[in-house]
Amino acid sequence: AQSVTQLGSHVSVSEGALVLLRCNYSSSVPPYLFWYVQYPNQGLQLLLKYTTGATLVKGINGFEAEFKKSETSFHLTKPSAHMSDAAEYFCAVSERDDKIIFGKGTRLHILP
Amino acid sequence: SAVISQKPSRDICQRGTSLTIQCQVDSQVTMMFWYRQQPGQSLTLIATANQGSEATYESGFVIDKFPISRPNLTFSTLTVSNMSPEDSSIYLCSVEDLDLGGRAFFGQGTRLTVV
Repeated sequence: AQSVTQLGSHVSVSEGALVLLRCNYSSSVPPYLFWYVQYPNQGLQLLLKYTTGATLVKGINGFEAEFKKSETSFHLTKPSAHMSDAAEYFCAVSERDDKIIFGKGTRLHILP
Repeated sequence: SAVISQKPSRDICQRGTSLTIQCQVDSQVTMMFWYRQQPGQSLTLIATANQGSEATYESGFVIDKFPISRPNLTFSTLTVSNMSPEDSSIYLCSVEDLDLGGRAFFGQGTRLTVV
């Protein structure tokens, strides 16, 4: 069965510092992996996704994530945090046409 | 936290028919979202449903095709009308719980196949 674990329900980083949001998954077949961001009172926005091919995926707003099959991880990073990055981030896994499983989310706080 | 029950979990429907998907939450929530994920794609927001007002649809989605009801703070339905094979997708309900700092919670999704 699929599952997604996001380490840390809250993460705080200083403005300009590295952002690292952790996501580990389990899947019986090669998965599709997603990172979504949700700002208050808005729906989810796709940051990036991995389906096949290159394991380092670049997304919007300077975010990227690397699919590491051996570690079953898909951590999200950004070299330099900006105040506008403060939001809730969700990692999700989908086994092709099967249902989507979301992690519990990580609230990112940016410290001035 | 909020627990969401979404029904049905999957269905196979004939083209031209309609299917209503239900989303039940165990607590009162202000904002509910309906999404679609087509095969191999990411989630696409269909509409935002707030109790007491008309649903707000995203570009490319219209009320005649995807009517939404939000009769109270714990329940919503999405209907996929006059279905075609292109409507085959996963449909997902999500809520935002303002009482818990705006955290989001998700239903299990409805896997719809139109034949």
